[in-house]
Amino acid sequence: SQQGEEDPQALSIQEGENATMNCSYKTSINNLQWYRQNSGRGLVHLILIRSNEREKHSGRLRVTLDTSKKSSSLLITASRAADTASYFCATSLISSGSARQLTFGSGTQLTVLP
Amino acid sequence: GAGVSQSPSNKVTEKGKDVELRCDPISGHTALYWYRQSLGQGLEFLIYFQGNSAPDKSGLPSDRFSAERTGGSVSTLTIQRTQQEDSAVYLCASSLGLSPTGGETQYFGPGTRLLVL
Repeated sequence: SQQGEEDPQALSIQEGENATMNCSYKTSINNLQWYRQNSGRGLVHLILIRSNEREKHSGRLRVTLDTSKKSSSLLITASRAADTASYFCATSLISSGSARQLTFGSGTQLTVLP
Repeated sequence: GAGVSQSPSNKVTEKGKDVELRCDPISGHTALYWYRQSLGQGLEFLIYFQGNSAPDKSGLPSDRFSAERTGGSVSTLTIQRTQQEDSAVYLCASSLGLSPTGGETQYFGPGTRLLVL
């Protein structure tokens, strides 16, 4: 089963509004990353937050991490039509041994209406 | 600099045929990953290469799937006797491979969209 689960599965907002997406995970992590995907193609890394960090900013992006609740949120402020994409959280698991892969959630499809 | 490239972009094949998908990672990246993404789903880990170490094949769904990485650079994912359920986008990613605990930022290629008829 997926380590990360995003909600909502789909989100539709007007341009200029803020978009918030949430991610929950099940086991202890090294870090959590957010990626963006346009049209089912390659993913683009947005931001990485380490397990000892609580909040991180990058431009219009704000990520929070609550390890006690095993959850993270991605906030996109002042959204634009170009932000329309699928957003995935991905976790790096402490218990993964020699494995280095990320475990991805099922994604949130964000639609920003002009 | 050049990013991760994959070929072909699209592949249509008949059930039962073998296919080969290619990935060229970013130069200098020692870690390479293959993922599979079915329509509307998240990414499913397939296999991981790190330098000269034995690959982590724990995500391969069946023995019809195999991958190799020659010279620590280019990787080929081979699916033998393709089935319709193999239809998906196959994504390759690479990373520096420096972190002892993993979880590095991964750089993705554009993917190969495979359709098995």
